[in-house]
Amino acid sequence: EPEVTQTPSHQVTQMGQEVILRCVPISNHLYFYWYRQILGQKVEFLVSFYNNEISEKSEIFDDQFSVERPDGSNFTLKIRSTKLEDSAMYFCASSETRYNEQFFGPGTRLTVL
Amino acid sequence: AQTVTQSQPEMSVQEAETVTLSCTYDTSESDYYLFWYKQPPSRQMILVIRQEAYKQQNATENRFSVNFQKAAKSFSLKISDSQLGDAAMYFCAYRSQRESGGSNYKLTFGKGTLLTVNP
Repeated sequence: EPEVTQTPSHQVTQMGQEVILRCVPISNHLYFYWYRQILGQKVEFLVSFYNNEISEKSEIFDDQFSVERPDGSNFTLKIRSTKLEDSAMYFCASSETRYNEQFFGPGTRLTVL
Repeated sequence: AQTVTQSQPEMSVQEAETVTLSCTYDTSESDYYLFWYKQPPSRQMILVIRQEAYKQQNATENRFSVNFQKAAKSFSLKISDSQLGDAAMYFCAYRSQRESGGSNYKLTFGKGTLLTVNP
């Protein structure tokens, strides 16, 4: 059964460094999402992406964040200059249409020291 | 803005028994979707069940069913004949059904309920 994959499973970085989190959505899906979950808190929406552009973003998704679909398979989230408060689990999701179920990846745990 | 509240951080159930997980939400919209997602340890979230707000009939998927009370803005999940494999974090989520503008893509989640199934 097709599934969303994410790499790496755990990323440790120093404050101020750039990180890129990678996701491979399900191949026939057209809508892509990033969510994050700070330890002990809710899963929060960051951004949705369709047709090579951002379709919706939250107030969390500021200028430090960017998303890209660099080729036909990968979907990336870049954090330009990480802060301690960016430490969280980051989930990628994809859906066939915006009305269909969102399928989630296993997440990347980002630790900023 | 919509909010989703899960008031039970943890629940436990004996194998083969029934458990109900609570979820309430707040919205001013009339058309929306509600979901329950399951996240087993170290695994991805998977959709358990989905309810369209315009449907009066409660959704059912095998041993999983919901009690959707639109007026009360309540959406509880009932798991019957609980199995060891049901042990997981369960998230309630909301999504708008608006056709244009606003938040019609994102899921809004509750904090989750950790379900333990005792043998």
